[in-house]
Amino acid sequence: DQQVKQNSPSLSVQEGRISILNCDYTNSMFDYFLWYKKYPAEGPTFLISISSIKDKNEDGRFTVFLNKSAKHLSLHIVPSQPGDSAVYFCAASGGAQKLVFGQGTRLTINP
Amino acid sequence: GAVVSQHPSRVICKSGTSVKIECRSLDFQATTMFWYRQFPKQSLMLMATSNEGSKATYEQGVEKDKFLINHASLTLSTLTVTSAHPEDSSFYICSARNALAGGHQDTQYFGPGTRLTVL
Repeated sequence: DQQVKQNSPSLSVQEGRISILNCDYTNSMFDYFLWYKKYPAEGPTFLISISSIKDKNEDGRFTVFLNKSAKHLSLHIVPSQPGDSAVYFCAASGGAQKLVFGQGTRLTINP
Repeated sequence: GAVVSQHPSRVICKSGTSVKIECRSLDFQATTMFWYRQFPKQSLMLMATSNEGSKATYEQGVEKDKFLINHASLTLSTLTVTSAHPEDSSFYICSARNALAGGHQDTQYFGPGTRLTVL
């Protein structure tokens, strides 16, 4: 049972435009959501997170939106830069310490 | 900060040998560390939760006698792959929670990973 789903395995965006990565979850007990960025052969890097009491959190070029009724969150990157090319994982937790990860979306920023 | 290191970054071993991977939190104390495994083009699979001073909690399907975890101090957890076989070849990543760093306690900070190749 895939509790966290990233339905788009890949996404290509032109440099300077907005990148939107999507994530859906099924477990209503999740109350904290995170986005990680991962380069090949490296560990994930924490990007941004959001608690279920909020619907938006912004940090520089990165904004995460949470729609609890739809059990959906998204990561917006604007403007997209070549260094943003990586695999992005969304993750969720429900107070049990563990994080549940999505399958990842490979983002490619084209010059 | 919340820096996590792993050693070694890459290891090649013969089938039947044991390999130890170290995970250290460099600038904070981590009462809880996690060990993940990632297969090519797949998501991170949680193997076990490592708690300082107590036994690790293994996820379903993970052999605790094969993947030995020791969390002897607040800054060090080790994963030993015993009697390694080619199917154990994978990318192993550890993470730690920094409960005192501010922010949410469930945020995990990851090490750089260890590529294990068993011949």
